[in-house]
Amino acid sequence: QQQVKQSPQSLIVQKGGIPIINCAYENTAFDYFPWYQQFPGKGPALLIAIRPDVSEKKEGRFTISFNKSAKQFSLHIMDSQPGDSATYFCAASPNTGNQFYFGTGTSLTVIP
Amino acid sequence: GAGVSQSPSNKVTEKGKDVELRCDPISGHTALYWYRQRLGQGLEFLIYFQGNSAPDKSGLPSDRFSAERTGESVSTLTIQRTQQEDSAVYLCASSPRGDEQFFGPGTRLTVL
Repeated sequence: QQQVKQSPQSLIVQKGGIPIINCAYENTAFDYFPWYQQFPGKGPALLIAIRPDVSEKKEGRFTISFNKSAKQFSLHIMDSQPGDSATYFCAASPNTGNQFYFGTGTSLTVIP
Repeated sequence: GAGVSQSPSNKVTEKGKDVELRCDPISGHTALYWYRQRLGQGLEFLIYFQGNSAPDKSGLPSDRFSAERTGESVSTLTIQRTQQEDSAVYLCASSPRGDEQFFGPGTRLTVL
C-alpha cells in the first residue's frame, strides 16, 4: 500500500513555466514533509521541507503548499529552468521521526 | 565536509552469490537509513538505525537481507543468495536528528 501518492509521473514545461507536483497521504501521524530532487546517477538531495503548522513555505524559486485538512501537499517551481530537469520525490515521516515514506517520483523536463 | 559515501559504486554479481554494500555516514549523524530504488521507481525503505536503539527492520523484503551498524559509524547491507529481482540502486542516507536526510550516491547492483 502506497503511503504517499504522487502525481503526475512525468511533466514537461517550457522554460519560465511553473510546474506543480502533487502528493497526498492518509496517515495523520505524519508531521514532516520533505521534497527531494534527484539527478541521474546521483542520490536524492533535500530541496525543501514543511511541517503541518504552516500552509506554505518558500525557498528561492521553490514553494511548498500544504493543506492539512485535505492531507495534500504540493511543490511549485517558479520560473523553471532547464537545470531544474530532474526527478522529484515527496516524502512523509511520522512524529517519531523514523521511517520515511516516499512518493513514486515525478520526472520533470524543462524545455529551453 | 565529507558527505555520505557508499562503496562499491557498482557491483555485478552472479545469481546465488552474497554481496556486501557499505555506507559511511556523515560524522555525528545518529540516524542511518537504507533504501532500494528500482529503475524508474521511487525509494523503498529497507532499514533504519538510530543511535544504540534496536533498528527498524520492517522494510527488509526477505530474510536474505540484513544490515549492521557499528555504533554511529559505518553500516553494511548484506544480501545473501542474490536473485535477479535484487538488481537495483541501494541508497544510504544519514541524518543528524532523524528528519533531514543526506543521501549517498548509491550502489548500483546488477545480478546476472
